[in-house]
Amino acid sequence: NAGVTQTPKFQVLKTGQSMTLQCAQDMNHNSMYWYRQDPGMGLRLIYYSASEGTTDKGEVPNGYNVSRLNKREFSLRLESAAPSQTSVYFCASSPRTGMTGANVLTFGAGSRLTVL
Amino acid sequence: AQKITQTQPGMFVQEKEAVTLDCTYDTSDPSYGLFWYKQPSSGEMIFLIYQGSYDQQNATEGRYSLNFQKARKSANLVISASQLGDSAMYFCAMSVLNAGNNRKLIWGLGTSLAVNP
Repeated sequence: NAGVTQTPKFQVLKTGQSMTLQCAQDMNHNSMYWYRQDPGMGLRLIYYSASEGTTDKGEVPNGYNVSRLNKREFSLRLESAAPSQTSVYFCASSPRTGMTGANVLTFGAGSRLTVL
Repeated sequence: AQKITQTQPGMFVQEKEAVTLDCTYDTSDPSYGLFWYKQPSSGEMIFLIYQGSYDQQNATEGRYSLNFQKARKSANLVISASQLGDSAMYFCAMSVLNAGNNRKLIWGLGTSLAVNP
């Protein structure tokens, strides 16, 4: 019963380094999302993919890139990490395309990223 | 402005008692949805319950119920018979129409619930 799997769970980077957060879901969901969670800011959408082959910017896309590699996998890349990107990152997926109706999200366990 | 407000940063409840977590919302979208998610200390977000704006009856899922008062724009979560495992952060979220005819989720800042034995 894997659901949504994120790797790595923890990562420490130096300013300017790059890294990719990996996400995979085994529920045959159409939509996938990347969020960041910061104290006092709630959850903020970085990028989403409403279906295989499409990606769109969310609220806070600057400094990030994404790839929807196939229906299962959606990766988030930080090309040149900055301390402001220190956060907990969540990948999520949902069965429907877009946020229509009761489009319930299934979340991964989160990835805690620290940029020094 | 489209917004979710959770006014209780922290709540305490005695085991086996009921607790209400508040959520108020603001939107001009007539077709919206309201969600509650739970985030235990392990970190993952877990879906609890959903209420559509046109649903006539309050949603229920086991020990969870959503007290939906449309005129007051409130969607409070009621947990009956609290258990120690209910200790967690609880987030209210709203699905609304975005630019480009897409929908987006707006999240509240959460309420931390502690269940005392």
